[in-house]
Amino acid sequence: DVVLTQSPLSLPATLGQPASISCRSSQSLVHRDGNTYLIWFQERPGQSPRRLIYSVSNRDSGVPDRFSGSGSGTDFTLKISRVEAEDVGVYYCMQGTHWPLTFGQGTNLEIK
Amino acid sequence: EVQLLESGGGLVQPGGSLRLSCAASGFTFSRYAMSWVRQAPGKGLEWVSSITAGGDARHYADSVKGRFTISRDDSKDTLYLQMNSLRSEDTALYYCANMVTTGYWGQGTRVTVSS
Repeated sequence: DVVLTQSPLSLPATLGQPASISCRSSQSLVHRDGNTYLIWFQERPGQSPRRLIYSVSNRDSGVPDRFSGSGSGTDFTLKISRVEAEDVGVYYCMQGTHWPLTFGQGTNLEIK
Repeated sequence: EVQLLESGGGLVQPGGSLRLSCAASGFTFSRYAMSWVRQAPGKGLEWVSSITAGGDARHYADSVKGRFTISRDDSKDTLYLQMNSLRSEDTALYYCANMVTTGYWGQGTRVTVSS
């Protein structure tokens, strides 16, 4: 199974400052169709998960442009250019390239 | 407006069964693969099962293989999860979702396995 390792697991962030989360995969996430199915989700307290980024770097509709995704192969990053209070929650990476689908452990972002 | 509405959760004894349903609206359900994902109390997200559009292929996590069955009825725009031989470790909030193509998630239905 593909293991996704997120770091850090706890992220004390400062309002208005940047923050980033790393997601490393135990194997390449390039699918045989050429796509890389690496996805980022945000889970706010008491809410269902919300997809932020798909295929490494594509932002979903309605997602603020302060969120960006990057990476390739086995190393991926979610960046928040300027953290806002509404960004508090748990962030997960997920891979949809290989069966079984797998999630990272989650990164808990809180405001310092 | 897209909606995924799960139902069927509840309290069940170990060894018991439950059938979860997920009613979809606001998009062409039949075109998309669908999945079940769960979250145990205080834990992270865990993929459970997926079914392709058309239902010709199904995949399961090892933890539920042989006990859970995913299915869909495109005439009713509904996804199902039949859960048998339930264990305490199956206690979780169960979501239906299309994570890869659309990013749609439901609100979840809670399953508690306890005597």
